[in-house]
Amino acid sequence: KQEVTQIPAALSVPEGENLVLNCSFTDSAIYNLQWFRQDPGKGLTSLLLIQSSQREQTSGRLNASLDKSSGRSTLYIAASQPGDSATYLCAVTINQFYFGTGTSLTVIP
Amino acid sequence: GAVVSQHPSWVICKSGTSVKIECRSLDFQATTMFWYRQFPKQSLMLMATSNEGSKATYEQGVEKDKFLINHASLTLSTLTVTSAHPEDSSFYICSARDGGKASDEQFFGPGTRLTVL
Repeated sequence: KQEVTQIPAALSVPEGENLVLNCSFTDSAIYNLQWFRQDPGKGLTSLLLIQSSQREQTSGRLNASLDKSSGRSTLYIAASQPGDSATYLCAVTINQFYFGTGTSLTVIP
Repeated sequence: GAVVSQHPSWVICKSGTSVKIECRSLDFQATTMFWYRQFPKQSLMLMATSNEGSKATYEQGVEKDKFLINHASLTLSTLTVTSAHPEDSSFYICSARDGGKASDEQFFGPGTRLTVL
């Protein structure tokens, strides 16, 4: 069974820092990997989608990489802002979604 | 752990028919449920937020008259795709929040794959 793990579980950084969130999965036969943001009480917002044939995707200050062979993905956030404070989830898709446990990010002004 | 089920897991229907998808929280009371859809090779997108006993809140661009959401009980929400057309073919997934906990954690159903011929 696919298991998705995110490290760290929580992260607190001062504004302006660059940071990396990690996601690992046990079964490399994935269709794609997605990174989501979750704000309190809200639904998920998709940030980046990486197809299994791709190595990375970028959107603004966000960059996500995918290494299928090692079962790892990272989400890099540049020049963090207080508005980036949220829970970040990664999810891999095979025939259904498998979500990670999430990283709770707090960016301190 | 909390379990969310969806039924059916896949459905094929003719254009013009309506399809109902159920989302159930099996071992907790879900005060809030979310409905998402994912088109092939695209990201999962939030369609609507459903609170038990009140009308659903739809995201911009989602037709509320086409995608009827009913959250009549604390364990069941339904999404009805009315007069389905081939462009509605997608993967529909629901998630639920446990109303008995302060945590914002969402528990996801396995999804329903809809194919409209």
